[in-house]
Amino acid sequence: AQSVTQLGSHVSVSEGALVLLRCNYSSSVPPYLFWYVQYPNQGLQLLLKYTTGATLVKGINGFEAEFKKSETSFHLTKPSAHMSDAAEYFCARKGGSYIPTFGRGTSLIVHP
Amino acid sequence: EAGVAQSPRYKIIEKRQSVAFWCNPISGHATLYWYQQILGQGPKLLIQFQNNGVVDDSQLPKDRFSAERLKGVDSTLKIQPAKLEDSAVYLCASAGLVAGFYEQYFGPGTRLTVT
Repeated sequence: AQSVTQLGSHVSVSEGALVLLRCNYSSSVPPYLFWYVQYPNQGLQLLLKYTTGATLVKGINGFEAEFKKSETSFHLTKPSAHMSDAAEYFCARKGGSYIPTFGRGTSLIVHP
Repeated sequence: EAGVAQSPRYKIIEKRQSVAFWCNPISGHATLYWYQQILGQGPKLLIQFQNNGVVDDSQLPKDRFSAERLKGVDSTLKIQPAKLEDSAVYLCASAGLVAGFYEQYFGPGTRLTVT
């Protein structure tokens, strides 16, 4: 089945350090790819999405992700972590049927 | 623009009891989704509506779960009877066109604890 895999259930960084959250997808054709953020006791909020065109996608809150077809990856990065970035992050894909599939999530922990 | 509303926010019930969740999507959004998010996992789609018709309910445990979307606006999700493994957050989302692309908007979820 076509899916997404998030590497690492927890990622811990210091405030000001680079954030890198990994996501790989399995698909016979390039899917639509998304990153969502979920703060405690809240629903999911879209950070950014890749549909077609430019492979480097910029999102909200300083996050960006690069679609790499050769590596079937869509890793999320941010140059400098803030305490407010601490949350759960989900990678998701949508195929031709538009039924979305989410990864298991990565919890980002930011240390002062 | 008001977001997706869900109620209740929290619910605790005993196994074998029944429970219902309510969702009010963003005005004008024809597509509505119910997801189940078990602790430590990503959301899993239970059912998708387009207006008041079901598009996909292949992952809905139909022996105990039911959902309806009367008049193509509000939706309810019911569990009867509940099992311990139904403990999860139930998320409702609606989708609308944003710059030519259907984008999902999620509600805050209902956290269900089955004891």
